[in-house]
Amino acid sequence: GAVVSQHPSWVICKSGTSVKIECRSLDFQATTMFWYRQFPKQSLMLMATSNEGSKATYEQGVEKDKFLINHASLTLSTLTVTSAHPEDSSFYICSATQAPSETQYFGPGTRLLVL
Amino acid sequence: GENVEQHPSTLSVQEGDSAVIKCTYSDSASNYFPWYKQELGKRPQLIIDIRSNVGEKKDQRIAVTLNKTAKHFSLHITETQPEDSAVYFCAAFDVSGTYKYIFGTGTRLKVLA
Repeated sequence: GAVVSQHPSWVICKSGTSVKIECRSLDFQATTMFWYRQFPKQSLMLMATSNEGSKATYEQGVEKDKFLINHASLTLSTLTVTSAHPEDSSFYICSATQAPSETQYFGPGTRLLVL
Repeated sequence: GENVEQHPSTLSVQEGDSAVIKCTYSDSASNYFPWYKQELGKRPQLIIDIRSNVGEKKDQRIAVTLNKTAKHFSLHITETQPEDSAVYFCAAFDVSGTYKYIFGTGTRLKVLA
């Protein structure tokens, strides 16, 4: 149990285009989903916390108009990177928790390359 | 906000030896401390965790200790094996407050056969 999927696993796009990444909890209802970004050889940096039916809470320095997060249901959250630029190239990982447990279950990640 | 420091950044040990990774945190409200193992290109995997009402927890070759007063916690791996080679991250989580994880900077562990 407690499986989280992410789609796509790989995406290559041109600079200026938008990319949507989906995060799904397959066998449980995720009250909270987290979005992280990880650059090569670096740690996971929290971008935003997303609760179903409410606006995401963004970390300091993360542009909410550039990284649009939607948590429309208890099993799906999406991250849209708008007007992507090469510096947005990174590994994006989502995770989900189910209250009252704080254990987070990670998706497999999405590797984004912006040309 | 919470800040988590992790040391060392790299660690090489001989197979069979022990490895210790240390983390310190700044926010006394943090009350849950998981450790993750991440292999190249893959998702982090939870290997052990500890809550603030416990001082030590062990699971086979892996143990975690927590010193709330000093605000530090450590991961201990005994009888290391080559398959333990990976990047290990500690994290701190505030269950009752901000409800988010802050990760340490990671330790690249290399177990030499």
